[in-house]
Amino acid sequence: GENVEQHPSTLSVQEGDSAVIKCTYSDSASNYFPWYKQELGKRPQLIIDIRSNVGEKKDQRIAVTLNKTAKHFSLHITETQPEDSAVYFCAASIEGYSTLTFGKGTMLLVSP
Amino acid sequence: DTGVSQDPRHKITKRGQNVTFRCDPISEHNRLYWYRQTLGQGPEFLTYFQNEAQLEKSRLLSDRFSAERPKGSFSTLEIQRTEQGDSAMYLCASTSSVGLAGSGELFFGEGSRLTVL
Repeated sequence: GENVEQHPSTLSVQEGDSAVIKCTYSDSASNYFPWYKQELGKRPQLIIDIRSNVGEKKDQRIAVTLNKTAKHFSLHITETQPEDSAVYFCAASIEGYSTLTFGKGTMLLVSP
Repeated sequence: DTGVSQDPRHKITKRGQNVTFRCDPISEHNRLYWYRQTLGQGPEFLTYFQNEAQLEKSRLLSDRFSAERPKGSFSTLEIQRTEQGDSAMYLCASTSSVGLAGSGELFFGEGSRLTVL
């Protein structure tokens, strides 16, 4: 089955800096890659996703890049704010075939 | 609140007891998922339903675990003869995707935290 590795496990940045979280996946057939944000004590919520027919997707301060050859994808957050502090999970699946496999998460702490 | 709701939010039980969790998905969603989350880990897939049919079960779902979605609306997850290793957050999620399995935004509930003493 699919295996998703996520790094780093914790990331501390100063407000205004950029943050990058990286994930690798094992199954070359995976073609759907969402990112979820989970604030302390709250439910995970989808923030952005990408499919394998594109290499990059942006939504305001958030972007995701995908390298299918290397089987890795990354979340980029620019101009970080304290409210970005949360645990971020990457995930992968084969659309139409498998359910989502999540990474272990990255705890992002943005200091004012 | 029209989001996914789970009950109870917290459950403390003694080893060997049975527990049942309930999930009410967003009403128009036809797919419902159960995940387990332990400290420092991402959600781990347990099982999923499309309407009332249970379409996939993880190997994590031992024979002590059973899930139902009798009328294609709410779902229950029962754990029999609980063990300390069952202590975790049990998350329910639903989606209205009419397309392909494994895609579409999952809407999560706030989870049911189980502590087995």
